[in-house]
Amino acid sequence: GAGVSQSPSNKVTEKGKDVELRCDPISGHTALYWYRQSLGQGLEFLIYFQGNSAPDKSGLPSDRFSAERTGGSVSTLTIQRTQQEDSAVYLCASSPKTPDGAGVAQYFGPGTRLLVL
Amino acid sequence: GENVEQHPSTLSVQEGDSAVIKCTYSDSASNYFPWYKQELGKGPQLIIDIRSNVGEKKDQRIAVTLNKTAKHFSLHITETQPEDSAVYFCAASIRGAYNTDKLIFGTGTRLQVFP
Repeated sequence: GAGVSQSPSNKVTEKGKDVELRCDPISGHTALYWYRQSLGQGLEFLIYFQGNSAPDKSGLPSDRFSAERTGGSVSTLTIQRTQQEDSAVYLCASSPKTPDGAGVAQYFGPGTRLLVL
Repeated sequence: GENVEQHPSTLSVQEGDSAVIKCTYSDSASNYFPWYKQELGKGPQLIIDIRSNVGEKKDQRIAVTLNKTAKHFSLHITETQPEDSAVYFCAASIRGAYNTDKLIFGTGTRLQVFP
C-alpha cells in the first residue's frame, strides 16, 4: 500500500518568507509526528497529533512554527518568517492507534529539504 | 529527561564481516525498540523492532537483542554487503507527559561496508 508522502520534496526560500510543508500519512493511521533533521544529525521531535488534536507541541522551537491536521489525515507544518537556521530536512511519520501502554512503530515519509537563503 | 545513547557513531567493516551497533536507554518503562536505516536523501526506514517481552529477534541477516535489566539493546548485521551502507538509528518508546506515545532516537551510526 501507499506509504507516507510529503510535499514538496525540496523547497528553497528567502529569509523572512513563510513556508508550508505537507504530510499525507498512511491511510487509517491516527498518530502523526513531525521531526526536524539537520545535516548529519539525529531526529529532533517537533509535534505529535492524535487525530486532529496536538497534545504535545513541546518540540516546536519557536512561535514561528505551527502545525495543523484536518480530518484526521493530512497535516501541514508552517514556518513563518523563515530564518537560515530553519534549513533542515523536515520528516513526517505516522503510526496506527497505540494499544494502551504499548509502543508502536512509526513509518516515515521521504522528507522535505528546506533551504533558507 | 529520557535519552538514548548510541555507539559507535561511525563503523567501517569489510564486506562479509559482521557489524554491531549498541544502544542504551534511560526510561525503565520503555517497552518497544525499533531500528531504522536511513539512506542518503531518504527518510528513515524501519528494518526490525523488538518488544520488551522478547530477548532476541532475527530477520535473515539482521538481529536485535534486548537486555532489559541493563537497559541495553543491540543491532547485529551478519554477512554485510555494500548496500547495507547507511545511517542506522535506534529508538526507545516512552509515554510522554501529554500521554504522547513517542520514540526517543539515538544519534545514529554511519555504517560503511567496503567491497
